[in-house]
Amino acid sequence: GQNIDQPTEMTATEGAIVQINCTYQTSGFNGLFWYQQHAGEAPTFLSYNVLDGLEEKGRFSSFLSRSKGYSYLLLKELQMKDSASYLCAVRDQGNQGGKLIFGQGTELSVKP
Amino acid sequence: DTAVSQTPKYLVTQMGNDKSIKCEQNLGHDTMYWYKQDSKKFLKIMFSYNNKELIINETVPNRFSPKSPDKAHLNLHINSLELGDSAVYFCASSQDFGTDPLPQHFGDGTRLSIL
Repeated sequence: GQNIDQPTEMTATEGAIVQINCTYQTSGFNGLFWYQQHAGEAPTFLSYNVLDGLEEKGRFSSFLSRSKGYSYLLLKELQMKDSASYLCAVRDQGNQGGKLIFGQGTELSVKP
Repeated sequence: DTAVSQTPKYLVTQMGNDKSIKCEQNLGHDTMYWYKQDSKKFLKIMFSYNNKELIINETVPNRFSPKSPDKAHLNLHINSLELGDSAVYFCASSQDFGTDPLPQHFGDGTRLSIL
């Protein structure tokens, strides 16, 4: 079956670093995506990994290990506006039939 | 200069009615999607169209019928609305180049409430 797991909630302090983990078991794999979703808004794309390793984009980095079915999103220098839900999603195929399978999201609260 | 726009943003209606949600993208993408996000925040794919052709049709009741008049538009018509249809429906689009996984861009969502 298709299964994507991530913690339901996390709390961190402004200025700190937080790591949000995601493990997946899917029938196929063609990339892992991270999205940010503020309450009542659309998911917005943050980062994606196709190959193993670390992808860095400013304060956000994402890591992938395909052999372990594992990814994490690292957020540095946390700001209050980073309080949001972070969605991990796996694309299951490389052709046009490939679809994104989402985890339930991790609700991150950033405290002063 | 909205990239993916969907209307209406809010839709409140009674059980048994038929309603439509419209989606348009101006990104030049060739693939469009409909997702349903339930009260537990799970985003689940419903349909995908590539150049007006249905590619993905997940296990969705046939009361839901997508229509793509051209590759920039993907509308969703829902017949005989039920209480369980209450959710946020997101439209998305992406440009698929063979096996390259490119990110999907989402619209702002349509909040459907069934009374």
